[in-house]
Amino acid sequence: ETGVTQTPRHLVMGMTNKKSLKCEQHLGHNAMYWYKQSAKKPLELMFVYSLEERVENNSVPSRFSPECPNSSHLFLHLHTLQPEDSALYLCASSQEAGGANVLTFGAGSRLTVL
Amino acid sequence: DQQVKQNSPSLSVQEGRISILNCDYTNSMFDYFLWYKKYPAEGPTFLISISSIKDKNEDGRFTVFLNKSAKHLSLHIVPSQPGDSAVYFCAAGDTGTASKLTFGTGTRLQVTL
Repeated sequence: ETGVTQTPRHLVMGMTNKKSLKCEQHLGHNAMYWYKQSAKKPLELMFVYSLEERVENNSVPSRFSPECPNSSHLFLHLHTLQPEDSALYLCASSQEAGGANVLTFGAGSRLTVL
Repeated sequence: DQQVKQNSPSLSVQEGRISILNCDYTNSMFDYFLWYKKYPAEGPTFLISISSIKDKNEDGRFTVFLNKSAKHLSLHIVPSQPGDSAVYFCAAGDTGTASKLTFGTGTRLQVTL
């Protein structure tokens, strides 16, 4: 596999469920990101990891919990979500976290919270 | 407060003609700008970028123009092709801080036959 792979592509969960989104990059990049895309809104940065260390948490509620066990994998653990959290969650990676780095995105995980 | 704005949610252009997508920004610290293209059921893919030290960057059919005084950039696609039909996102960043691109809401381009 090449590029950035996200699983699952679609997820439906109730407000009391616990689920996780997974992201894997095969590009040898050092930085990984979670973005949220809601309808008619700009992509919103959620978290940035550089060399497995979280360098940015963009005021995201604690019901979203990221995990970066190594530079190739990134998870987003979901717990007690709200219907307004329904969105497309995009993972991305870049060579480094700083400067003018081009992001490579995965295809996204479409989350529906009932 | 939206720092990157794409005021046209959609645009329809005939095949062979020029497509012009616009983007405005408010943060004067932004010094590099990118355009991403997104097809349905796929993630955004990088298209072209420009640094604030330039006012134009060209890559094949795609040219990005930057007007720093107006805080405006535009993407020109010439000639437009049906395969260009997608959502185009403008993004801006500040090289002095950790990578944190700010995206616009996107413009849906439809290239008709």
